[in-house]
Amino acid sequence: AQKVTQAQTEISVVEKEDVTLDCVYETRDTTYYLFWYKQPPSGELVFLIRRNSFDEQNEISGRYSWNFQKSTSSFNFTITASQVVDSAVYFCALSVLYGNNRLAFGKGNQVVVIP
Amino acid sequence: DVKVTQSSRYLVKRTGEKVFLECVQDMDHENMFWYRQDPGLGLRLIYFSYDVKMKEKGDIPEGYSVSREKKERFSLILESASTNQTSMYLCASNQRSYSAKNIQYFGAGTRLSVL
Repeated sequence: AQKVTQAQTEISVVEKEDVTLDCVYETRDTTYYLFWYKQPPSGELVFLIRRNSFDEQNEISGRYSWNFQKSTSSFNFTITASQVVDSAVYFCALSVLYGNNRLAFGKGNQVVVIP
Repeated sequence: DVKVTQSSRYLVKRTGEKVFLECVQDMDHENMFWYRQDPGLGLRLIYFSYDVKMKEKGDIPEGYSVSREKKERFSLILESASTNQTSMYLCASNQRSYSAKNIQYFGAGTRLSVL
């Protein structure tokens, strides 16, 4: 079975600070994908980023960056220079090759950006 | 753009009522999913469907059933609503894939209160 752990529940930062969200996953599969989703107060989950298990290259996309390390089963996500619009719940999720396209979600991180 | 539409944003029902939550997607996706979101528990999969009239139980199917008569529509049914089914319900869809990579697209959610 797959498991995703997001240890932090609520994180408060002052605007323009960086915020890093931790995600640790468990799976026995060697082929899998990791995702980050954002859920603003409106409720709809919005896809942010995806990374497959064979690509550990870390990237930056605008103010978002991620750090994928298979050795520690971690897929951490950073928002640089946070803005009030970044206030949301962020979910890490995992899908595996033979998992019927199911996603296993972490419990989410509530990010509050204080102006 | 992919659009997943849930028929109601807010719903208030009485204990024992039969409740229908409707979800429609416009991208010809084979897979559709129903999740329940509760504080501190993240998203939990109730049921999913990989084709018309096909369904599989998720992690918490008890007290729920589903119907998929048309490809674009996936209904979640609470046969006899109970107060512990008060929650946020999210519908999602994606293309069937034999890898694990396909992004799930979500509706805005239905916040159900059972009194």
